[in-house]
Amino acid sequence: EAQVTQNPRYLITVTGKKLTVTCSQNMNHEYMSWYRQDPGLGLRQIYYSMNVEVTDKGDVPEGYKVSRKEKRNFPLILESPSPNQTSLYFCASSYKGVPDTQYFGPGTRLTVL
Amino acid sequence: TQLLEQSPQFLSIQEGENLTVYCNSSSVFSSLQWYRQEPGEGPVLLVTVVTGGEVKKLKRLTFQFGDARKDSSLHITAAQPGDTGLYLCAGDYGGSQGNLIFGKGTKLSVKP
Repeated sequence: EAQVTQNPRYLITVTGKKLTVTCSQNMNHEYMSWYRQDPGLGLRQIYYSMNVEVTDKGDVPEGYKVSRKEKRNFPLILESPSPNQTSLYFCASSYKGVPDTQYFGPGTRLTVL
Repeated sequence: TQLLEQSPQFLSIQEGENLTVYCNSSSVFSSLQWYRQEPGEGPVLLVTVVTGGEVKKLKRLTFQFGDARKDSSLHITAAQPGDTGLYLCAGDYGGSQGNLIFGKGTKLSVKP
């Protein structure tokens, strides 16, 4: 089944403790991206990657890192999480970027205490 | 940062009613997409429009792209409870093939 998977689905952590949210797709897509979704603010793009070893900042990249060493994986790294990074995070992939269909993962709900 | 205004923010209607959701920007889109998101899930694409004046239909849903490519609308005819969800528009301003801007969404509730 074609899909985007994210792990973990739920995470509660404390300020300053480094964490990684993994994202994997099995559709051989070149493009992958990360979003955060907050009440009243909607979906905002954090980072995107047009292909392996190519990453670019989205609209809210501060406090996040990404890497794209393999085509199928695009992990989101929070080196020193803070409470304002408490959010619902979505990974998405598409064939070659916009305006191709974006396929979203199921989301990761992160709480930083 | 480009802004994409979506209205209304909330909509609660009875089954069988019609409704329209709007998506507006001061900038021109290269393309615009509409997604629907259900609780606990990621957004799912409904349609992509790329040509000014374009109209696309998906069963009871009609999507229109403005002639100037600065606005779009989603019209639902005879809404059903299964239409309940969060509707999101997302625009591409053409600067990059990777940057997609989302509106804040319209939360639709259709009561039986």
